[in-house]
Amino acid sequence: AQKVTQAQTEISVVEKEDVTLDCVYETRDTTYYLFWYKQPPSGELVFLIRRNSFDEQNEISGRYSWNFQKSTSSFNFTITASQVVDSAVYFCALSGANTGNQFYFGTGTSLTVIP
Amino acid sequence: GAVVSQHPSRVICKSGTSVKIECRSLDFQATTMFWYRQFPKKSLMLMATSNEGSKATYEQGVEKDKFLINHASLTLSTLTVTSAHPEDSSFYICSATTGANYGYTFGSGTRLTVV
Repeated sequence: AQKVTQAQTEISVVEKEDVTLDCVYETRDTTYYLFWYKQPPSGELVFLIRRNSFDEQNEISGRYSWNFQKSTSSFNFTITASQVVDSAVYFCALSGANTGNQFYFGTGTSLTVIP
Repeated sequence: GAVVSQHPSRVICKSGTSVKIECRSLDFQATTMFWYRQFPKKSLMLMATSNEGSKATYEQGVEKDKFLINHASLTLSTLTVTSAHPEDSSFYICSATTGANYGYTFGSGTRLTVV
């Protein structure tokens, strides 16, 4: 079964604090892709990152970084020096090669950055 | 590149009427399009998968006669909510892919309100 779990429903941090959003996944596919999307109040999904199952290198993009740990089936997302504009709902998602390219979304983590 | 246009962004309709939502891939040919529904403060749930030229595959619990999906060309898929009721009010979002797992792009979503 394909499943994505985001245990943190809501997080509030004060501006400039670092925050980590957790994502744990389950899949039977050997080839799969993991994604993070940001959904601001306007509703659109903003693509942040895609990681394939064969690439466990961590990635950093500006204030964003991602930690992919296959051993624990986790794909955590860290925002350093958070800003008010980071306030949004963040979704982790899984797409497996054997499941018709369908996306499985986590339940999302609502992040509020307090000025 | 890889832009998906979804129209309308917002629609209000009366109970009993039908509403059509369009999803267009602007600069690529989408062999597969997905339709998702998102309830307030909830995750995105896959409603159906449509492949160009064939009937859509609906997820369990989704009424195919109520949510009509047409994918007549490689750049356009439509979702028609027939005989809409207030409980159909939701945020609907489409995504399109060329078939390769890296090709996922989401539309900006349609907020449907049935009064």
